[in-house]
This record gives sequence, structure tokens and C-alpha cells, in this order.
Amino acid sequence: EVQLVESGGALVQPGGSLRLSCEASGFIFSDYSMNWVRQAPGKGPEWISYMTNSSQIIYYADSVKGRFTISRDNAKGFLYLQMNSLRVEDTAIYYCASGGLGYWGQGAQVTVSS
Amino acid sequence: EIVMTQTPLSLRVTLGQPASISCRSSQSLVHSDGNTYLSWLHQRPGQPPRLLIYRISKRFSGVPDRFSGSGAGTDFTLKISRVEAEDVGVYYCMQATQFRTFGQGTKLEIK
Repeated sequence: EVQLVESGGALVQPGGSLRLSCEASGFIFSDYSMNWVRQAPGKGPEWISYMTNSSQIIYYADSVKGRFTISRDNAKGFLYLQMNSLRVEDTAIYYCASGGLGYWGQGAQVTVSS
Repeated sequence: EIVMTQTPLSLRVTLGQPASISCRSSQSLVHSDGNTYLSWLHQRPGQPPRLLIYRISKRFSGVPDRFSGSGAGTDFTLKISRVEAEDVGVYYCMQATQFRTFGQGTKLEIK
């Protein structure tokens, strides 16, 4: 069974940093591109980052470019999102999802507030 | 950025009746590889979105055949042939031809 489990969500002050992790199991992680998608309270999903299986191609949404960094460890089966210079508007549930968005984790809550 | 516009934004349907949601993109979704990367997802409260349809009309694993997708270029449609109680929630179209963007969502309720 495919499983994606996010961790690392927390309450952080504006300007702070956080690293989210996504542990993959039940499929050959190194064969799949991956995404991070977030959803602010009461809003629709917003795609924020994509990485190919080999890490050679990386994309970011304009809203996070220069502040967030996606990475992965294929040997361990983990996807990461390093988030710096966090803003109040980054408050959301953060999901990792497979390349075509066929598989999703349950999400990690990130709250940016003073 | 490709903007996705869904209509209607809300839908009330009687159980067993059909439902239809439209999605229009601000530019053609035909990729340089010839494929059209238009998907439909469904989200229930408190749950992550779930992929229903990808590449316009292909049903994802485990998706009932009462869901179907159609369209081309910039205009796309999701149809539910006979709405069931479990179909309530919000439906999103999403393009993956150029990065990824979602429509604003269509809330489906039972009448």
C-alpha cells in the first residue's frame, strides 16, 4: 500500500524557518517525481514545488521561490521542504504528493504567527 | 501563469441524478509532447484531495466508472452519471502542462 507521511509541522514566528519531511513507502520512491502542495484555511489547494525522481528538474511557485527549497533522499525514501523567511500567509496544511498527484499524504499543519 | 476557471462554484444535485462541472483554462493545455495534462480531484472535509481523472479522461485506480472526463484545448468537463451520497465535497480541476494550477473549486451538495 502506498503511504506518504508528512512530519515537522509546527507553530513558528514570522521570519522563522521550518523543515518538513515526507516519508514514502509502498512504492519505488526513486522512480517517482514528487510535489509539495499546500492548502490555507478555507481555500483551495496551491501547488508550491515539484522535483523529478533524479532531482535534476525542480520547479517552484512564485509565492515561495527564493524562500523554500525542495530536496529528496531516494536511498531513505524521504522528500523534504526547507521553508525560510516564513510569512503569516504561509499558514496552511502542507501535503506531499506523487508526481501526477495520484498519492497524497495526510498533511502537516504549519502556522506562522507571532 | 495558467488560470483555471470552474463553473458552477456550487451544485446541488438529487441522489441518482447526473452532475456536470466545467473548467476553462486561460491558454491551451496541449503540452509540447502532445499530451493534455488536465486532471480532476475530489476533496472531502478534513481529507487530502483525491485524484479522479488525469489527462482529460483517464480514470485513476479505484475510481468508479460513473465519473468521466472530456474536453480539449481550453475547455473541459467532469461528469458524474448518477450522484451518490459519497460524492459530496469540493471538486477541483488542475492543469500540469505548465507547472501546476488548480481551479477555485466546485462544491457539490445533495438536494
